[in-house]
Amino acid sequence: DGGITQSPKYLFRKEGQNVTLSCEQNLNHDAMYWYRQDPGQGLRLIYYSQIVNDFQKGDIAEGYSVSREKKESFPLTVTSAQKNPTAFYLCASSTRDRGPYEQYFGPGTRLTVT
Amino acid sequence: SQKIEQNSEALNIQEGKTATLTCNYTNYSPAYLQWYRQDPGRGPVFLLLIRENEKEKRKERLKVTFDTTLKQSLFHITASQPADSATYLCVFSGGYQKVTFGTGTKLQVIP
Repeated sequence: DGGITQSPKYLFRKEGQNVTLSCEQNLNHDAMYWYRQDPGQGLRLIYYSQIVNDFQKGDIAEGYSVSREKKESFPLTVTSAQKNPTAFYLCASSTRDRGPYEQYFGPGTRLTVT
Repeated sequence: SQKIEQNSEALNIQEGKTATLTCNYTNYSPAYLQWYRQDPGRGPVFLLLIRENEKEKRKERLKVTFDTTLKQSLFHITASQPADSATYLCVFSGGYQKVTFGTGTKLQVIP
């Protein structure tokens, strides 16, 4: 089955630690995205990548980093510099010709930092 | 900056009726407006996309309208079913850096 996988579903970390969230897709999509979702707010774009070895900052990139070494993978690192890291993180992908439209989302990772 | 307003209050309707959800936006009209469905604790699922120059789009029991004069999109689910209960997100899309998600409206279809 084609789709996007995110792991783990739940993640707990101590304040001051970096943590990496996994995102893998087998849809052969060129574009991939990372969003965070907080209660009462819409999804906010953290980073996106339109092609391998290239990525761009979204609206709230501070305190996050990404890499795109393979087409299938787009891991997100939440660094200790991110002031409010506790959130629901969603990875998505789309075909390059569709742009940021008709995105396929993964199941999400809920990160809790204490 | 662009803002999207969706009714934050939950919408409760009786099974079999038509559900109508509203999405209002400020400032400029988007090139595209999308609707997604999101179930609790899960990622959104794409439903429909409507372009700026389209007035209406349909897919099975779903219909989306787009009125650039009113700066509004309406999302309709006809013959609603309990399985349609979810949160529906309106998404303003004008390019990679111009994607704005609404906070969503929670729909509850009562049997």
